[in-house]
Amino acid sequence: NAGVTQTPKFQVLKTGQSMTLQCAQDMNHEYMSWYRQDPGMGLRLIHYSVGAGITDQGEVPNGYNVSRSTTEDFPLRLLSAAPSQTSVYFCASSYDGEAFFGQGTRLTVV
Amino acid sequence: AQRVTQPEKLLSVFKGAPVELKCNYSYSGSPELFWYVQYSRQRLQLLLRHISRESIKGFTADLNKGETSFHLKKPFAQEEDSAMYYCALSGHSNSGYALNFGKGTSLLVTP
Repeated sequence: NAGVTQTPKFQVLKTGQSMTLQCAQDMNHEYMSWYRQDPGMGLRLIHYSVGAGITDQGEVPNGYNVSRSTTEDFPLRLLSAAPSQTSVYFCASSYDGEAFFGQGTRLTVV
Repeated sequence: AQRVTQPEKLLSVFKGAPVELKCNYSYSGSPELFWYVQYSRQRLQLLLRHISRESIKGFTADLNKGETSFHLKKPFAQEEDSAMYYCALSGHSNSGYALNFGKGTSLLVTP
């Protein structure tokens, strides 16, 4: 099992560009989530999904969209990148309360 | 509202010394508490959760509902314990397993 796979690992965007961070899991978990990790801020929940076709906002959803068309995939879209979105992004899937994290995507917006 | 507080950004101890990473929480219901660890260049992983009452890599944590604390302890720190530690709370609300993380404590164990 690959677990939770995120692509890309690194990305540099120009302000205003859009992109999609990919996240896939092969553990058949219903619950998936996206976090951003910033120095001194810990991990903050962006969006989450409790199953295919169901998504909801977390603590810091502005500037991000998600969709969940399948159990396996949970992409995160940045519609118009801003320097404030420079961060490390983690995707996670959960089962029985335990979260399994991807390796992270380091995004820089210039 | 849910809140997790880790008062120490950085904790430095000598190898063999006891270590305690503090975590306090606020939650009106019955929370589930976790400790996650991130070693250098590795992904976040679960260290332990309060309902399992296990000791993982020598670490233990006891949920104290009276003090609303879930401090992580180890009697004898090892150099390989150096990592970033996050305390997290799950309220099992409509958000399912959404985790509310503290800001993290960086543990440095020096020889």
